[in-house]
Amino acid sequence: DAGVTQSPTHLIKTRGQHVTLRCSPISGHKSVSWYQQVLGQGPQFIFQYYEKEERGRGNFPDRFSARQFPNYSSELNVNALLLGDSALYLCASSLVWQGATEAFFGQGTRLTVV
Amino acid sequence: AQRVTQPEKLLSVFKGAPVELKCNYSYSGSPELFWYVQYSRQRLQLLLRHISRESIKGFTADLNKGETSFHLKKPFAQEEDSAMYYCALRSPGGGTALIFGKGTTLSVSS
Repeated sequence: DAGVTQSPTHLIKTRGQHVTLRCSPISGHKSVSWYQQVLGQGPQFIFQYYEKEERGRGNFPDRFSARQFPNYSSELNVNALLLGDSALYLCASSLVWQGATEAFFGQGTRLTVV
Repeated sequence: AQRVTQPEKLLSVFKGAPVELKCNYSYSGSPELFWYVQYSRQRLQLLLRHISRESIKGFTADLNKGETSFHLKKPFAQEEDSAMYYCALRSPGGGTALIFGKGTTLSVSS
């Protein structure tokens, strides 16, 4: 099943460290979005990228950044980790970035900050 | 501010009983609403969207702009419907960014 793939699956980091999460979209999809899901909450939008350009940003501090590569894969970077950054990070891909296009989600990366 | 509210954390019903998962939204424009479902150990997936007005796995949802609601309904629940259900609203910023509710766990027992 060539769905959205995320790596790593699980990650443990120490406060103050930096982390990079990776996402490969479905083949042919040009847009990638990132979400943070804290335990007991719904996913919260962080970023959307399309054709390597940022197309949307949620209400997250500047410690969070992302980029999209020519092959449409994406990285989410978080600097100066806080305990509150512990969450499931979801990546979603879609064909384009607007219109009635469906977002397909990956399995997520579980980040634990200790 | 745009917001999605799912008032029930958990909904428990017996097999064959009707199900209604509540969703209310706050949005100043013309909303685009979705229901996503997450079965155990599976990824989040789209169940249905209001613009397509289709029925998936027996579930339907009608957008009620007067009551700002988009409740998910099924006349006869099945055990395989047990899952986490999220209501979501397309963000006004454009793009495919979604605003999710906190989710409701549906538990169907025999």
